[in-house]
Amino acid sequence: DQQVKQNSPSLSVQEGRISILNCDYTNSMFDYFLWYKKYPAEGPTFLISISSIKDKNEDGRFTVFLNKSAKHLSLHIVPSQPGDSAVYFCAASGAGSGNTGKLIFGQGTTLQVKP
Amino acid sequence: KAGVTQTPRYLIKTRGQQVTLSCSPISGHRSVSWYQQTPGQGLQFLFEYFSETQRNKGNFPGRFSGRQFSNSRSEMNVSTLELGDSALYLCASSLDPGSNYGYTFGSGTRLTVV
Repeated sequence: DQQVKQNSPSLSVQEGRISILNCDYTNSMFDYFLWYKKYPAEGPTFLISISSIKDKNEDGRFTVFLNKSAKHLSLHIVPSQPGDSAVYFCAASGAGSGNTGKLIFGQGTTLQVKP
Repeated sequence: KAGVTQTPRYLIKTRGQQVTLSCSPISGHRSVSWYQQTPGQGLQFLFEYFSETQRNKGNFPGRFSGRQFSNSRSEMNVSTLELGDSALYLCASSLDPGSNYGYTFGSGTRLTVV
């Protein structure tokens, strides 16, 4: 049962334009959502997160939007740069001690930003 | 400040053997989690340790085990290796175990089972 889904395996955008990466989830008990970026042969790097009590969080070029009613979140990158080309993972965590340290990841979306 | 260090970076083992992977967390971080990444299953949670205690475990067979030492360093062990255990194994550490966004990942250990 895939609780976190990234339905687009890949996305290609032009440098300077907006990149929008999407993520859907099924478990309404998730209380934190995170986005990680991963280059080949490296571990995931934390980008930005959002609490379930918020609908938007912004950090520089990165903005995450959360729509709880639709169980959907998205990551916007504006403007996109060639260095942003990587695999992006959406992850979710649940509240409570039984969920500590446990992130549930989506399958990832490969973003290619063309110069 | 040193990051999360995983050793070795690459490993080739034969079916039936066992393997031990090591993770040194960021200094001061007491929570360590392990993940398995494969092309088919993506990133999957293995287990989490805090103060030498396993607090959370994913849905993996008993062949996968781990431990944490008093200095917060952690090891994971896979016994009776199968071809399907070939994967990138990632370790992540955190200062505040309640803040899931605070996890920093290492570069991983690439395990190949032949």
